[in-house]
Amino acid sequence: NAGVTQTPKFQVLKTGQSMTLQCAQDMNHEYMSWYRQDPGMGLRLIHYSVGAGITDQGEVPNGYNVSRSTTEDFPLRLLSAAPSQTSVYFCASSYSDNMETQYFGPGTRLLVL
Amino acid sequence: GNSVTQMEGPVTLSEEAFLTINCTYTATGYPSLFWYVQYPGEGLQLLLKATKADDKGSNKGFEATYRKETTSFHLEKGSVQVSDSAVYFCALALYNFNKFYFGSGTKLNVKP
Repeated sequence: NAGVTQTPKFQVLKTGQSMTLQCAQDMNHEYMSWYRQDPGMGLRLIHYSVGAGITDQGEVPNGYNVSRSTTEDFPLRLLSAAPSQTSVYFCASSYSDNMETQYFGPGTRLLVL
Repeated sequence: GNSVTQMEGPVTLSEEAFLTINCTYTATGYPSLFWYVQYPGEGLQLLLKATKADDKGSNKGFEATYRKETTSFHLEKGSVQVSDSAVYFCALALYNFNKFYFGSGTKLNVKP
């Protein structure tokens, strides 16, 4: 098992550009989520999904879109990047029924100029 | 609302010293509580968890007890090692809302 994989590892964007952060898991987990990690603020939930075709907003959803067409993949889209979106982004997955351990990907470091 | 508050770091200790990292929480329901550890350049890994009041989670010499009366889940280790240097996150999960809430993290530096 590869676990949770994220690509790219690092990305530089200009303000207004769009991009998609990829996340995939091979553990057949129903629950997937995206967090951003900022200094002194811990992890904040952006969006989450409890299964294919079902997504919902987390704590800080503005500026981000998600979709879940398959169990394995949960991409995060930035439609028009802003400097405030400079952060480290983590994808996580877990079995949905009892919210057991979340497995985290290695993260994507995003810099928006 | 739901939130987790951790002591601010960094915490700097000498090898074999005793470690305590404080964590308190506010929750609208009956949460499960977790400690995650993040080593440099890596994602978060589950360190230990407790799912109900008075449960004690333990792993790799770390322990934390779910205290409902004080809404706390403090992390302790009797003798830290240099390899324990990392950032530690306290978190709570509310199953009915399928959400996790994380604290801001506490950086631990252990010197030889």
